[in-house]
Amino acid sequence: QSVLTQPPSASGTPGQRVTISCSGSSSNIGSNYVYWYQQLPGTAPKLLIYRNNQRPSGVPDRFSGSKSGTSASLAISGLRSEDEADYYCAAWDDSLSGQVFGTGTKVTVL
Amino acid sequence: EVQLVESGGGLVQPGGSLKLSCAASGFTFSGSAMHWVRQASGKGLEWVGRIRSKANSYATAYAASVKGRFTISRDDSKNTAYLQMNSLKTEDTAVYYCTRSPLGFDYWGQGTLVTVSS
Repeated sequence: QSVLTQPPSASGTPGQRVTISCSGSSSNIGSNYVYWYQQLPGTAPKLLIYRNNQRPSGVPDRFSGSKSGTSASLAISGLRSEDEADYYCAAWDDSLSGQVFGTGTKVTVL
Repeated sequence: EVQLVESGGGLVQPGGSLKLSCAASGFTFSGSAMHWVRQASGKGLEWVGRIRSKANSYATAYAASVKGRFTISRDDSKNTAYLQMNSLKTEDTAVYYCTRSPLGFDYWGQGTLVTVSS
C-alpha cells in the first residue's frame, strides 16, 4: 500500500497545462526530496524531476516540479500526445527507512 | 553509455528461490548505490531495496514486504548487483528492475519478469 497519494487520472487537450498532486507526510515529503518518474506503456520508468524541482539533462522545460510542506506537484505545460503515460512521485520515508512511490497517475491527452 | 541489464527471471513455485543479476556498464559502478524496484502487472512501482557503495559500508535496506526473504548484494569486480529471493510468494510476481541513485533513479534496466506460480 503506497504512502504517497496521487489522483488516479488526469487529462487535457494538446497545449493545455496539467498538474498532478502527490500527498505525503512529515516522514517522507515533509523531510526529504521528491522525485517524479514518467512511464510510457511497456517501458521502464524515466526520471523527470529530481530534488523537488530539478530537471535532468534532456527533459523538456515543459515539465516542472514543486513542493510545499507534505505535498508536491508535477506540472506539464504545453501538453503533447507523447506525454500520455503514467506518472509517479517518490520520496525517501524516514519512518519506513525506505523509498516510497506514489500510487501513480495516468495522463490522457484528449 | 550507461547500461543496466537484468537477467535471471523466470517461473518458480511458491516457496522457491531465484537470483536476479544486474550487469552495469558505462559508469563508475563501485561508487553508486544500486536499487531494485518491482512492478506487478497493471500495478504501480514498488521499491524492493538497495545496497550502497563500499564507501558506505555496503549498507542495505529493504521494503517491509520482502525483509527477511530477499537479499541484495554486489560484486564491484564484475560491475554486477544481485537480488537473491527466497521463500517466494505468488504476490512477488512482477517485473523486477534494477536502477541506480543518488540523484533520483536516473538509469533503469529493461526489467526481468519473475512469475511465482504452481
